[in-house]
Amino acid sequence: GAGVSQSPSNKVTEKGKDVELRCDPISGHTALYWYRQSLGQGLEFLIYFQGNSAPDKSGLPSDRFSAERTGGSVSTLTIQRTQQEDSAVYLCASSLRGTGNTEAFFGQGTRLTVV
Amino acid sequence: AQSVAQPEDQVNVAEGNPLTVKCTYSVSGNPYLFWYVQYPNRGLQFLLKYITGDNLVKGSYGFEAEFNKSQTSFHLKKPSALVSDSALYFCAVRDPNSGTYKYIFGTGTRLKVLA
Repeated sequence: GAGVSQSPSNKVTEKGKDVELRCDPISGHTALYWYRQSLGQGLEFLIYFQGNSAPDKSGLPSDRFSAERTGGSVSTLTIQRTQQEDSAVYLCASSLRGTGNTEAFFGQGTRLTVV
Repeated sequence: AQSVAQPEDQVNVAEGNPLTVKCTYSVSGNPYLFWYVQYPNRGLQFLLKYITGDNLVKGSYGFEAEFNKSQTSFHLKKPSALVSDSALYFCAVRDPNSGTYKYIFGTGTRLKVLA
């Protein structure tokens, strides 16, 4: 597609349930990022994939969070046993390559509300 | 550790006046610097970047930014503000010497242009 696509755009879930958020990066982009944006906060780095290299998971806030990227393209962010503090907008981005001089292109985000 | 600071939560400017949104950074080596804009209920859009070369970089929508190595700053500027420029602006840094290519974002500055 023309841009980064995220689904669903909105998700309301009950506390304790698991959720999966999907990201389709721009075709040909080898680098993929997940960020979290809480209300009134900046962007919090979660995880970064670059090609077939081991992902940088240093931003995942707890072991309830995990992500995978299948076939070097689509990525899924999974949150297990959701908590109210997980409520946020989850943003996915991709860039042409992982080297530092390329800009990232962001999706519209998934707004997660845990009730 | 790399970091970015946006010292102003909000900047108000009258339409037609010049605007500046401030950003300072901290990295161990030469940084790659980026500005993004976020309109309400939208994802982040890339505005401009500094990689190397001319300290003054020009980007989308008439924005420009000046890299100042001695002051470790990368302030965003526009000669004449428009009401439509009202949005949330994020500065980001990548440190090519850090071993990871994640973007570190500032906390954002809300720009309000008054008619």
